[in-house]
Amino acid sequence: QLQLQESGPGLVKPSETLSLTCTVSDDSINNVSYYWSWIRQPPGKGLEWVATIYYTGSTSYNPSLKSRVTMSKDTSKNQFSLKLTSVSAADTALYYCARLRVAAADYWGQGTLVTVSS
Amino acid sequence: QSALTQPPSASGSPGQSVTISCTGTSSDVGGYNYVSWYQQHPGKAPKLMIYEVSKRPSGVPDRFSGSKSGNTASLTVSGLQTEDEADYYCSSYAGNSLPKVFGGGTKLTVL
Repeated sequence: QLQLQESGPGLVKPSETLSLTCTVSDDSINNVSYYWSWIRQPPGKGLEWVATIYYTGSTSYNPSLKSRVTMSKDTSKNQFSLKLTSVSAADTALYYCARLRVAAADYWGQGTLVTVSS
Repeated sequence: QSALTQPPSASGSPGQSVTISCTGTSSDVGGYNYVSWYQQHPGKAPKLMIYEVSKRPSGVPDRFSGSKSGNTASLTVSGLQTEDEADYYCSSYAGNSLPKVFGGGTKLTVL
């Protein structure tokens, strides 16, 4: 059974960089059939797509975050990562990693809460 | 403001049917047959319920169905059960540079 597990600091100071990693089990992130994404959800609010990385290594970013976000992958560890710079309280959210198949997220991690606060 | 528009709430009694709408534009919902729907219970990760407008993943009851007309997609839940009470989000592909846009979510209450 495919599993995705997010990891990273739960608390980040304003203006610093948020860094998260998603470890994938029982599937290869180089599988040409799937994409890998980060999706976030501020407390009590809706879902927001953040970024996607394709098996080629190319990326797509939410235009509202594009200047601050970088997504990468480490195929040797079967992991992909998110970096979000210059964070503010507006970036406080539950961050999910997910597998996308034909634009649908069929597997999700449990989510990790990142709070931006001094 | 979300890219796709959903009603904030919907409700129905057990056994009834309810339909949740999701309105976008010709650049997303209307332009591609890549609408998906997610169910989210409190404290849980979202669960894929419908993909490619009307397809159900394995294990999703056939009480859940999806459709699309023009720029509006719909999720219908038939034979409502208490466990269907949750938040529902629609999502659409919107091109290579925007592979996923979400609606603001609809809270479904089973009365």
